[in-house]
Amino acid sequence: EPEVTQTPSHQVTQMGQEVILRCVPISNHLYFYWYRQILGQKVEFLVSFYNNEISEKSEIFDDQFSVERPDGSNFTLKIRSTKLEDSAMYFCASSEGTSYEQYFGPGTRLTVT
Amino acid sequence: QKEVEQNSGPLSVPEGAIASLNCTYSDRVSQSFFWYRQYSGKSPELIMSIYSNGDKEDGRFTAQLNKASQYVSLLIRDSQPSDSATYLCAVPGSARQLTFGSGTQLTVLP
Repeated sequence: EPEVTQTPSHQVTQMGQEVILRCVPISNHLYFYWYRQILGQKVEFLVSFYNNEISEKSEIFDDQFSVERPDGSNFTLKIRSTKLEDSAMYFCASSEGTSYEQYFGPGTRLTVT
Repeated sequence: QKEVEQNSGPLSVPEGAIASLNCTYSDRVSQSFFWYRQYSGKSPELIMSIYSNGDKEDGRFTAQLNKASQYVSLLIRDSQPSDSATYLCAVPGSARQLTFGSGTQLTVLP
């Protein structure tokens, strides 16, 4: 069964460093998303991406964040200068064109020290 | 701003019982509703979607939707210890972005 994959599973970085989180969505899906979940809190929407552009972003997704689909399979989230409060699980998700159902990857645990 | 509210629990049921999980939402125009299951330390897993009023059954799971009351529920019949997880209600927005509730933690006691 096709699934969303994410790398790395765990990333440790120092405050102020740049990180890139990578995702490979399900191959025939057209919509891509990033969410985050701070330990013990809700899953929060960050950004949605369709047709090679951002379709919606939350107030969390400020200038420190960017997304890219560099080729036909990868979808990346970059955090330019990490802060302690960026420590969270980051989930990538994707959905087909006809359905709103979203399928999540296993997540990347980002720890900022 | 969409609001999705769930009883945070925790909810404990004995093995074999019916677990009932509830969710209310603020946006009257919402047309789709999803239930996700999240095991500790894992990602959300889609278990049910429902689009129209009434019941939708899939195995031991039944989702119930009442748009007039802005209420969606999930029933788990014959609960098993492996059903112990946090259950998340989610509603999509105009750009398909999901707004999640805070989740209900379910424990099924053997």
